[in-house]
Amino acid sequence: DTGVSQDPRHKITKRGQNVTFRCDPISEHNRLYWYRQTLGQGPEFLTYFQNEAQLEKSRLLSDRFSAERPKGSFSTLEIQRTEQGDSAMYLCATEPLGGQRTDTQYFGPGTRLTVL
Amino acid sequence: AQTVTQSQPEMSVQEAETVTLSCTYDTSESDYYLFWYKQPPSRQMILVIRQEAYKQQNATENRFSVNFQKAAKSFSLKISDSQLGDAAMYFCATSGGATNKLIFGTGTLLAVQP
Repeated sequence: DTGVSQDPRHKITKRGQNVTFRCDPISEHNRLYWYRQTLGQGPEFLTYFQNEAQLEKSRLLSDRFSAERPKGSFSTLEIQRTEQGDSAMYLCATEPLGGQRTDTQYFGPGTRLTVL
Repeated sequence: AQTVTQSQPEMSVQEAETVTLSCTYDTSESDYYLFWYKQPPSRQMILVIRQEAYKQQNATENRFSVNFQKAAKSFSLKISDSQLGDAAMYFCATSGGATNKLIFGTGTLLAVQP
């Protein structure tokens, strides 16, 4: 169990550019969540995958955001035409389902995005 | 809808003393869980303790324990024998429903004084 990993850890980009983040879950964790955390706030839910199916998207996830989880393993979160308001920490969390169900999410270290 | 409220933006405790962090919540779920997560300055979110709402017994994990009052929708965290390493932001959260997504409070920043 190597934990949830995220890449990159930090990303600085200019307004209008596209960025993509990656999350690698703990092995055999079927559930995968993306959250966004702005300074001084708690994380806010963005989207949820169960295996490769994206089953819920928050209203926070505008049409500039897209997430995928091909083959139910790693996930990517892409932001197109970034805006300064997108600056935040993007957190990935995973959880087992089925026989290993724990109802507890394990978080990665996050990707800190700064949009100039 | 689910909401979590943490009314203490900051708390301070002397090393070796006990501190209690408050949390209230609201949920329409009949089956839900409650959590306290710790986020140290390195910002990796770490689970401290969790409580199944259907269990009346309060959860404990070493120096950490909760006071779960279901009728009052209250879920406070008690840290005993505080250590310098306990200094962090603490988030209360609830989950439930089909996706089990977490709803977080705004956090309490805990300082531990030597």
